[in-house]
Amino acid sequence: AQKVTQAQTEISVVEKEDVTLDCVYETRDTTYYLFWYKQPPSGELVFLIRRNSFDEQNEISGRYSWNFQKSTSSFNFTITASQVVDSAVYFCALITYYNQGGKLIFGQGTELSVKP
Amino acid sequence: GAVVSQHPSWVICKSGTSVKIECRSLDFQATTMFWYRQFPKQSLMLMATSNEGSKATYEQGVEKDKFLINHASLTLSTLTVTSAHPEDSSFYICSAAPDRSGNTIYFGEGSWLTVV
Repeated sequence: AQKVTQAQTEISVVEKEDVTLDCVYETRDTTYYLFWYKQPPSGELVFLIRRNSFDEQNEISGRYSWNFQKSTSSFNFTITASQVVDSAVYFCALITYYNQGGKLIFGQGTELSVKP
Repeated sequence: GAVVSQHPSWVICKSGTSVKIECRSLDFQATTMFWYRQFPKQSLMLMATSNEGSKATYEQGVEKDKFLINHASLTLSTLTVTSAHPEDSSFYICSAAPDRSGNTIYFGEGSWLTVV
């Protein structure tokens, strides 16, 4: 079975603090993709990153960075020097190669609140 | 610009009426589209897989007679909520992919349905 767990339901930080959002996944497939999406109050899903199971390199994009560790089945997301505009719900998601291409399994989401 | 367009963004309907939501892939043909539902403060849950030219595949617990899905062309899938009730009020969002690899997935903007 495939599953994505985001244990942190809500996180509140003060602007300029660093914050890490945790994501743990389960799958028996060896080929899969992991995603992070941002969902602002408007509801639209904003794509942040996709990582395939064969690429464990960490990635940095501006203030965002991702740490993928297959050994612990984790794909954590860190925001450095957080800003108020980062306030949103963040979802981690999984798709496996054999899973009807496009059928995403989402975690429960983490609501991030960045206060000025 | 949007690669997958969803319409309407907001809809209010009276209890007992039906409402149709459209999902269009603008730049590619999608033999498969996916419909998700999201209640407030909850994650996105897959409702059904829309298959062009054939019947949709519904997830367990989703009433196929209540949530009618039609995928008549390679660029359009529609979700019709029949005999809507207040408990159907939710955020509905579709996704589509140009292939089955899972490498690239596009989401529509989402549709907020309120049944009064």
